[in-house]
Amino acid sequence: DVKVTQSSRYLVKRTGEKVFLECVQDMDHENMFWYRQDPGLGLRLIYFSYDVKMKEKGDIPEGYSVSREKKERFSLILESASTNQTSMYLCASRSGTASYEQYFGPGTRLTVT
Amino acid sequence: QKEVEQNSGPLSVPEGAIASLNCTYSDRGSQSFFWYRQYSGKSPELIMSIYSNGDKEDGRFTAQLNKASQYVSLLIRDSQPSDSATYLCAVTMNSGYALNFGKGTSLLVTP
Repeated sequence: DVKVTQSSRYLVKRTGEKVFLECVQDMDHENMFWYRQDPGLGLRLIYFSYDVKMKEKGDIPEGYSVSREKKERFSLILESASTNQTSMYLCASRSGTASYEQYFGPGTRLTVT
Repeated sequence: QKEVEQNSGPLSVPEGAIASLNCTYSDRGSQSFFWYRQYSGKSPELIMSIYSNGDKEDGRFTAQLNKASQYVSLLIRDSQPSDSATYLCAVTMNSGYALNFGKGTSLLVTP
C-alpha cells in the first residue's frame, strides 16, 4: 500500500512565523503535490513537483514556496504565515509512469493566530 | 479555468438503496477520472478510477464515464451508513500531472 505521511496533524502558529510542512512518501513516486482545502472552496493546488528539485506552481502559489531535495520528501513553506493561510493542508503523491492515481497523506490542520 | 461540477447535496438515501453521484467537467481533453471518499476531518481516499467510456465495477461501487457528454458518475449499491461521507470527483488537468477537484457531494445513508 502507498504510504504518505505528514509531519503534523495539527499545528498552531502565529502571524509572521515561518512554517514548514513536511510530507514523505514511501513508494518511490516521481510526482508530489500540495493542496489546501477550505469549506466552500474545495481542494486547490498550491504547488507540485514532477521530479527532484523540479517544481511547478499550481492555482494558488502566492505566499508559499516548496522544496524537494530528495525523491521521497516534499516540503511546503509558508514564508510569513498569515491568518488567511489557516486551512487543511494535504500532500499527495503519484507514480509518474504507472498510473495517474494520487494518494493523500492524513493532512495537517494549520491554524494561524 | 477548467471546471468540475458536483451537486453539493446532501444526498440522502435509505440503507440498502442505490446512491447515484454525478459529476460534469468542462475540459474535453481530460483523460483520467477519479472518485475519492472523504470522511469528516479526514483526508480523501481513492475509491475508483476510470479512463475509458463505459462502466467499471469494483465491489459495491460502479463508475460510469461518458466523454462525449463530459459526464462521470458513481453508483453505490446496497448503501450502508458507513458510506456517509463527502464524495469528490477529480479530473486530470491539461498538464497531466495535477487533478482538478469538484467541491464534493455529501452523502447521508440513513438506517
